[in-house]
Amino acid sequence: DQQVKQNSPSLSVQEGRISILNCDYTNSMFDYFLWYKKYPAEGPTFLISISSIKDKNEDGRFTVFLNKSAKHLSLHIVPSQPGDSAVYFCAASGEDNAGNMLTFGGGTRLMVKP
Amino acid sequence: KAGVTQTPRYLIKTRGQQVTLSCSPISGHRSVSWYQQTPGQGLQFLFEYFSETQRNKGNFPGRFSGRQFSNSRSEMNVSTLELGDSALYLCASSLQGLAGVNEQFFGPGTRLTVL
Repeated sequence: DQQVKQNSPSLSVQEGRISILNCDYTNSMFDYFLWYKKYPAEGPTFLISISSIKDKNEDGRFTVFLNKSAKHLSLHIVPSQPGDSAVYFCAASGEDNAGNMLTFGGGTRLMVKP
Repeated sequence: KAGVTQTPRYLIKTRGQQVTLSCSPISGHRSVSWYQQTPGQGLQFLFEYFSETQRNKGNFPGRFSGRQFSNSRSEMNVSTLELGDSALYLCASSLQGLAGVNEQFFGPGTRLTVL
């Protein structure tokens, strides 16, 4: 039972355009969401997060949108750069557990073409 | 500030053996979590330690265990290895205990291959 799903295993965009990565969740107890970026042979790197009390959080080229009613979040990267090519994971944590238990989606491989 | 370090980076074992992986968190971080990454199952939470106590545990068999020392360094152990245990094992540390307040910083992982 996958509580966090990233339905697109891969995404290809042109440099300079917008990249939109999507994530859906089923557990209504999740109240904090994070995006991580992962290069091969490295651990995931934290990108941006959003609390369930917000619907948008922006950090430079990265914006995360949260639609609680639809249980959907998305990561927008504008403009996309070749260095953004990596696997992106969304993750969620909830008030039904104490501490740092993150539930991850399966990841989306983003390829930004020069 | 040094990042999260994991040793060894690569490991090859045979079925039935046991293995111990080590993780040193960022200085000052008291929470250490372990994750398993496989192509089929993605990133799955194993367990979390905070102040030497296991606070959360994922859905893994008892062959997977861990501990945390007083200096916050953590080890995880897998006994009676199976082929399906081949994976990248990631360790993550954070300042305190709340994912919503402090993001987790991941190490580079230990690639375990079971033959």
